[in-house]
Amino acid sequence: AQKITQTQPGMFVQEKEAVTLDCTYDTSDQSYGLFWYKQPSSGEMIFLIYQGSYDEQNATEGRYSLNFQKARKSANLVISASQLGDSAMYFCAMREGYNTDKLIFGTGTRLQVFP
Amino acid sequence: SQTIHQWPATLVQPVGSPLSLECTVEGTSNPNLYWYRQAAGRGLQLLFYSVGIGQISSEVPQNLSASRPQDRQFILSSKKLLLSDSGFYLCAWSYDPSNSPLHFGNGTRLTVT
Repeated sequence: AQKITQTQPGMFVQEKEAVTLDCTYDTSDQSYGLFWYKQPSSGEMIFLIYQGSYDEQNATEGRYSLNFQKARKSANLVISASQLGDSAMYFCAMREGYNTDKLIFGTGTRLQVFP
Repeated sequence: SQTIHQWPATLVQPVGSPLSLECTVEGTSNPNLYWYRQAAGRGLQLLFYSVGIGQISSEVPQNLSASRPQDRQFILSSKKLLLSDSGFYLCAWSYDPSNSPLHFGNGTRLTVT
């Protein structure tokens, strides 16, 4: 069965520094998609970045990049130049199979950025 | 542009009372629609999804139900709430199942007392 694991319940980073949030996954599908979402204290889920299983290049979106290591089944989120507004919960999610967009989510990592 | 509306934002209901949460999407047609629940300090759990009017798939058996009376309307209901139904409920939509993300509403925080 598909599974997403986020082993860091909380992380701290100083403003302007980079931080890596870990995510490992387990699936027997050859085709799958990996997503990262940000959830601030207001509760909304904000899409950050997507990586397809066949994408050869690591995905990047502004200050966000995804360190995709397919053999290790990991999809870590890297946030560069952290800002105070980056403080939030971060969830890794995986799309099951190809022609579906049902997502399964990890338990999340709470990131706190301090001045 | 597409927008998703979900209401109410917060709700406090006694045990045994009924529930109706509504979600509507604007700016797109025939979206896939989803209800997720997030328990305190946890990830999201998929409850229901719908690929069209009247088509509902349930992921987790429980005392909740969902309906899709119109193309862009998705309703989560219960006849009698349980304490364990407390949580944060999120509606989401997507129109391209290949690689597009789910777009979430702002959520409803439900407290059953």
